[in-house]
Amino acid sequence: EAQVTQNPRYLITVTGKKLTVTCSQNMNHEYMSWYRQDPGLGLRQIYYSMNVEVTDKGDVPEGYKVSRKEKRNFPLILESPSPNQTSLYFCASSRQLNYGYTFGSGTRLTVV
Amino acid sequence: KNEVEQSPQNLTAQEGEFITINCSYSVGISALHWLQQHPGGGIVSLFMLSSGKKKHGRLIATINIQEKHSSLHITASHPRDSAVYICAVKPASGSRLTFGEGTQLTVNP
Repeated sequence: EAQVTQNPRYLITVTGKKLTVTCSQNMNHEYMSWYRQDPGLGLRQIYYSMNVEVTDKGDVPEGYKVSRKEKRNFPLILESPSPNQTSLYFCASSRQLNYGYTFGSGTRLTVV
Repeated sequence: KNEVEQSPQNLTAQEGEFITINCSYSVGISALHWLQQHPGGGIVSLFMLSSGKKKHGRLIATINIQEKHSSLHITASHPRDSAVYICAVKPASGSRLTFGEGTQLTVNP
């Protein structure tokens, strides 16, 4: 089944403890991206990747890192999480930039 | 002013009604997406448009590039259509998606 797999689905962590949210797709898609969703602000793009080893900042990249060492994986790294990074996170992939998107099922992160 | 504006923010309908959700944007675009977010939080891509009209089952999406406006129509609405519908645009220059805040649709039986 074609899908984008995000893990974990839920995570509660403490301020400053490094964490990684994984994202993997099995569709050989070139484009992958990360979004956060907050009440009243909607979805906002954090980082995106056009292909392996090609990543770029979205609208809200501060406090996040990404890497794209292989086509299928696009992990989101929070080196030192803070409470303002408490949010619902989505990973998505697309064959190329102007094609439809497939979203992961989301990761609800709480930083205390 | 947001680059992408949706209306209405909230919409309540009776089962069977015809529903229209609107999306206006302020920049030149290469593509517009309609997404559906279920109550459980998952997001599904419904349509990607760059011109004209697309239809899938009871859902129809249209776009008018000159007027910078798109509509999502649902015919014969059903309670299972209850969800948040999100419009997103990809500007003609750049690689980012910009999202509207979404329209919360509730269809009552």
